[in-house]
Amino acid sequence: AQSVSQHNHHVILSEAASLELGCNYSYGGTVNLFWYVQYPGQHLQLLLKYFSGDPLVKGIKGFEAEFIKSKFSFNLRKPSVQWSDTAEYFCAVNAPEDFGNEKLTFGTGTRLTIIP
Amino acid sequence: KAGVTQTPRYLIKTRGQQVTLSCSPISGHRSVSWYQQTPGQGLQFLFEYFSETQRNKGNFPGRFSGRQFSNSRSEMNVSTLELGDSALYLCASSHRDNYEQYFGPGTRLTVT
Repeated sequence: AQSVSQHNHHVILSEAASLELGCNYSYGGTVNLFWYVQYPGQHLQLLLKYFSGDPLVKGIKGFEAEFIKSKFSFNLRKPSVQWSDTAEYFCAVNAPEDFGNEKLTFGTGTRLTIIP
Repeated sequence: KAGVTQTPRYLIKTRGQQVTLSCSPISGHRSVSWYQQTPGQGLQFLFEYFSETQRNKGNFPGRFSGRQFSNSRSEMNVSTLELGDSALYLCASSHRDNYEQYFGPGTRLTVT
């Protein structure tokens, strides 16, 4: 079945460490890719998105993601994390069969805990 | 601009009852999507409405239904509630098919 995979379920890092969260999808063809973040007690917020063009996209709060088509991956990175980055991170795909509507297929999420 | 609002925020219902949840999108947004979030299944797409028309539907039983009004506000209804319907129901709105969805705080439904 077509899916989005986030293999890291829970990641624990110390402040200032570098972060990379994995996201793989199984759709062929062109996809629209997103990372969302859910801080404790807050709404889901869009961190960044990729539709086309430069495969390295920058988002809010110092996050970036790289689209690697050959690996069907869209990994999220941040060079130096802060305690305030503690949250749950979701990768999402707008698949080719859903172009023309807004359906997103989400990964299961990665819980990130930053230790001060 | 006000964000996406959802009412009620919390709801407790009994098995077999029905429930209606409401979502008001950001002003000017015509697309409204609904998702169910549970610890076991994560975020799952329920349906999406645009200009009062359902454009897509997820893999949920017919007990789950929705509609959108001319002012873009949307409601979803779940009939004959089951324990497994306990979840956080999220609404998201977007503007003109740009795929940037803005999520509301959700309605926490508990079925006992």
